[in-house]
Amino acid sequence: GDSVTQMEGPVTLSEEAFLTINCTYTATGYPSLFWYVQYPGEGLQLLLKATKADDKGSNKGFEATYRKETTSFHLEKGSVQVSDSAVYFCALRDSSYKLIFGSGTRLLVRP
Amino acid sequence: GAGVSQSPSNKVTEKGKDVELRCDPISGHTALYWYRQRLGQGLEFLIYFQGNSAPDKSGLPSDRFSAERTGESVSTLTIQRTQQEDSAVYLCASSLAGGARDYGYTFGSGTRLTVV
Repeated sequence: GDSVTQMEGPVTLSEEAFLTINCTYTATGYPSLFWYVQYPGEGLQLLLKATKADDKGSNKGFEATYRKETTSFHLEKGSVQVSDSAVYFCALRDSSYKLIFGSGTRLLVRP
Repeated sequence: GAGVSQSPSNKVTEKGKDVELRCDPISGHTALYWYRQRLGQGLEFLIYFQGNSAPDKSGLPSDRFSAERTGESVSTLTIQRTQQEDSAVYLCASSLAGGARDYGYTFGSGTRLTVV
């Protein structure tokens, strides 16, 4: 079945460092891909999405490009801030209704 | 409402008791989902509603778990005879259309259930 694999955390960075969180997927069809973020004590929020190959989703300085050839959707940010500390979830949605999530990656940004 | 509302936000219950968790989706969202998030783990799909019917209940872990939705609005997740392994955050989400590929979900803040 469809699945999402994320790099294990926690990822610890200093402020203004470059961030990459790896995400790869397995799907039989052509899914839409999402990144969700969960800040401490809050619910999940949609961060960005891409619906077809080579699309780039972006929001709040974060970017991710839908790479069909490598079945990947890595999350990147050029300069992280302390306020970016959160848990990040990669997810896919195929032709059905269900969002399938990765296990989440905790990011800790130190001042 | 403006967002997905869940209640209670926290629930502590004794092992063996029944609990009810409530979700009030965004007005007009026909699709509603329940997920479970155990400590330090990802999201586990429980059940999906389209309108008032549940075409996919495949994620419910046992027959102690049930859910219903009325009026294409509020949904209730019921856990009977709670066990310690039921301790988790239960998340509800809603979406404009269950089958649209490019729709993400809007999540509620969750109910943190602790079984002691």
